[in-house]
Amino acid sequence: QQPVQSPQAVILREGEDAVINCSSSKALYSVHWYRQKHGEAPVFLMILLKGGEQKGHDKISASFNEKKQQSSLYLTASQLSYSGTYFCGTESNSGYALNFGKGTSLLVTP
Amino acid sequence: DAGVIQSPRHEVTEMGQEVTLRCKPISGHDYLFWYRQTMMRGLELLIYFNNNVPIDDSGMPEDRFSAKMPNASFSTLKIQPSEPRDSAVYFCASKGRGRLSGANVLTFGAGSRLTVL
Repeated sequence: QQPVQSPQAVILREGEDAVINCSSSKALYSVHWYRQKHGEAPVFLMILLKGGEQKGHDKISASFNEKKQQSSLYLTASQLSYSGTYFCGTESNSGYALNFGKGTSLLVTP
Repeated sequence: DAGVIQSPRHEVTEMGQEVTLRCKPISGHDYLFWYRQTMMRGLELLIYFNNNVPIDDSGMPEDRFSAKMPNASFSTLKIQPSEPRDSAVYFCASKGRGRLSGANVLTFGAGSRLTVL
């Protein structure tokens, strides 16, 4: 079942912060975050496994609340290169396929 | 590592014609997935394989779609006959242990953009 992402779109000025949310109606084993630039393939950002661990690299981090079946992606001090569409993919059990949300379009302007 | 390789990158065909999309996964990855991306539906899972065996094909739209994985390094997605509503970008992805995360993550191919006239 497809997870629900919000917001659908966001426009930021360079340096501003953003939060993208992902929620599922099913119990989750893991949540994956991907970013897709226009005309390109989605690229892996990070994975969060059961346990609620918050992960991050550079100025992008994410959290996973397995009880609420929700994950959030945090982008701080956004850069122009952050523009793209962000997808969360959810896995209900190890070895299953990822179901992706419809994506959140992020545009960072100068 | 060349990544996941898909061909063709672009295909324009007429309604009723057969379309075959090809995919070479990353060596050593034992899962292979076919996704379809459209503006309306986003990324939809069509079918996936584990060790060359189809595990779940419930996302395949109808009998016009078929997928095979004859060996660990090759898979095809076939549409016969094609219809205009099949126009989309078709992604192949394989799953294996990520270099940085150490967990099993998807690596996507560049996609095949299909236009059916």
